[in-house]
Amino acid sequence: GENVEQHPSTLSVQEGDSAVIKCTYSDSASNYFPWYKQELGKRPQLIIDIRSNVGEKKDQRIAVTLNKTAKHFSLHITETQPEDSAVYFCAAEMASSGSARQLTFGSGTQLTVLP
Amino acid sequence: DVKVTQSSRYLVKRTGEKVFLECVQDMDHENMFWYRQDPGLGLRLIYFSYDVKMKEKGDIPEGYSVSREKKERFSLILESASTNQTSMYLCASITGYNEQFFGPGTRLTVL
Repeated sequence: GENVEQHPSTLSVQEGDSAVIKCTYSDSASNYFPWYKQELGKRPQLIIDIRSNVGEKKDQRIAVTLNKTAKHFSLHITETQPEDSAVYFCAAEMASSGSARQLTFGSGTQLTVLP
Repeated sequence: DVKVTQSSRYLVKRTGEKVFLECVQDMDHENMFWYRQDPGLGLRLIYFSYDVKMKEKGDIPEGYSVSREKKERFSLILESASTNQTSMYLCASITGYNEQFFGPGTRLTVL
């Protein structure tokens, strides 16, 4: 099955700096890569996603890049703000999941933005 | 507005008890999922269901079972709870665009 590795597990940045979280996946047939943000005590929420026919996608201060050859994708947050502090999860869709669309998640990154 | 609800936010049970965690979605989604979330391990898939009465094992199904009698409800069952099943349990359902919507979670403690 799919295996997703996420780094780093914790990341601290100064407010206004950029943050980058990286993930690698094992199944070359995976074709959908979402990122979820989970604030303390709340449910994970989708913040951005990318499909394998696209190399980069941007939404205001967040962007995701995908390198299919190397099987890795990254989340970039620019001009970080204290409200960006949260746990971020990457995921990859298993292409061979049959009838259901199944995601495999990374282990998460705790991002702390220091004021 | 998308809505996924779980029956309890916090639950305390004793070793050996049978535990039911309920998840309900009002979006007519076919696919529903149960995950457990543990520090440093991310979200791990326990079971999922792609239709009524249909279920498939995820990555860590041991010690769990599920029930999907109606489309909107997906139940996770711990037949005989053990202390290593203390965790946060998250239910999710999926849109046609593949976005998973999560419930608020149930923090289960097994004593």
